[in-house]
Amino acid sequence: GESVGLHLPTLSVQEGDNSIINCAYSNSASDYFIWYKQESGKGPQFIIDIRSNMDKRQGQRVTVLLNKTVKHLSLQIAATQPGDSAVYFCAETKYQAGTALIFGKGTTLSVSS
Amino acid sequence: EADIYQTPRYLVIGTGKKITLECSQTMGHDKMYWYQQDPGMELHLIHYSYGVNSTEKGDLSSESTVSRIRTEHFPLTLESARPSHTSQYLCASSRSGNEKLFFGSGTQLSVL
Repeated sequence: GESVGLHLPTLSVQEGDNSIINCAYSNSASDYFIWYKQESGKGPQFIIDIRSNMDKRQGQRVTVLLNKTVKHLSLQIAATQPGDSAVYFCAETKYQAGTALIFGKGTTLSVSS
Repeated sequence: EADIYQTPRYLVIGTGKKITLECSQTMGHDKMYWYQQDPGMELHLIHYSYGVNSTEKGDLSSESTVSRIRTEHFPLTLESARPSHTSQYLCASSRSGNEKLFFGSGTQLSVL
């Protein structure tokens, strides 16, 4: 079946570095994408979203890039901090179509001081 | 912080027991969801509801059942728990027309 996946299961960076977490999706009908952060023992927390009519969206220290041509989504975290250590999931759906989010496999980000 | 609550936070029970995992939200969201997640793995949708008296099965086959009698409450029940049900169960809600989900902290279930 179609699903959302991540390229790397783990990513280790040094504090202060920029982090890039990637995600490939296969459902070309999806037009809404969300990145979630899940800390140990907690539920996923919304980070940032993007609609397919955009290529880039910026938040506080985070940027999401969408490349519809190759069905690729990435999350960039600037000046990564130890508090950014968590599992990051991308999720996709068809906006307002009444379909539930489909989550990909997570990437575990480890930030060392 | 999202106002969605799950209880219990942790549950250890024996095989064959009936259990109910509670989920409540105070945001007035129409849509509610149950996801199952194994450690470090992706979330799998097992049940969802788009409003009172509406329940649907998700992508992942589950032996659990749900009910939605009140907007704010979406409990999940396992009639006879088995070790294969050991997992984390996450409840979420969203406003109609908005797919951004707010998650509870989850219930970690262990069936011995």
